[in-house]
Amino acid sequence: ILNVEQSPQSLHVQEGDSTNFTCSFPSSNFYALHWYRWETAKSPEALFVMTLNGDEKKKGRISATLNTKEGYSYLYIKGSQPEDSATYLCAPYNNAGNMLTFGGGTRLMVKP
Amino acid sequence: DVKVTQSSRYLVKRTGEKVFLECVQDMDHENMFWYRQDPGLGLRLIYFSYDVKMKEKGDIPEGYSVSREKKERFSLILESASTNQTSMYLCASSNPGGPNEKLFFGSGTQLSVL
Repeated sequence: ILNVEQSPQSLHVQEGDSTNFTCSFPSSNFYALHWYRWETAKSPEALFVMTLNGDEKKKGRISATLNTKEGYSYLYIKGSQPEDSATYLCAPYNNAGNMLTFGGGTRLMVKP
Repeated sequence: DVKVTQSSRYLVKRTGEKVFLECVQDMDHENMFWYRQDPGLGLRLIYFSYDVKMKEKGDIPEGYSVSREKKERFSLILESASTNQTSMYLCASSNPGGPNEKLFFGSGTQLSVL
């Protein structure tokens, strides 16, 4: 089982603040990195799938970067809004297990 | 709108009961998965299936079994429920494209075993 760590575990910010969190994973045998957003009482939804070192993806105010050599990805949220409140999960795909392994998630709460 | 539907949002069962969690997807996906989510532990893979009547163990299969008789339906079975199986259970499906294929999730079943 891969060791996937997300930090922080939880985060409280004010509306309008920008924030970022980290996903760390083993760099060996890397294939892809997924980010999902999971709002309370809803289904987790895919945000990004990233594969190349140096990849940067953007969706509205949310962006992510990937460093496969050192084994980490950052997720950034610019100008947080209350609707961004959710748990953000990362999951690397590693060819040793041929499946996604999820981190523990970062729970973001944005206060209006 | 594509969907993964789990039969129950909340379920309360007694220790020793046999429990069935049902999942249906309407996207004609080959792959289906069952995860459980516990605070601080992330999603852990219980079982998955790449085809009808096919199943593979995930990271934590003990105490569970699965059934996939039809492509769209993947059932998780707790043969004899125990209190340590109290958890949020998530079903997911995907296309068989490998690492780049994103998962589509159901909204989860919160199971409490008393």
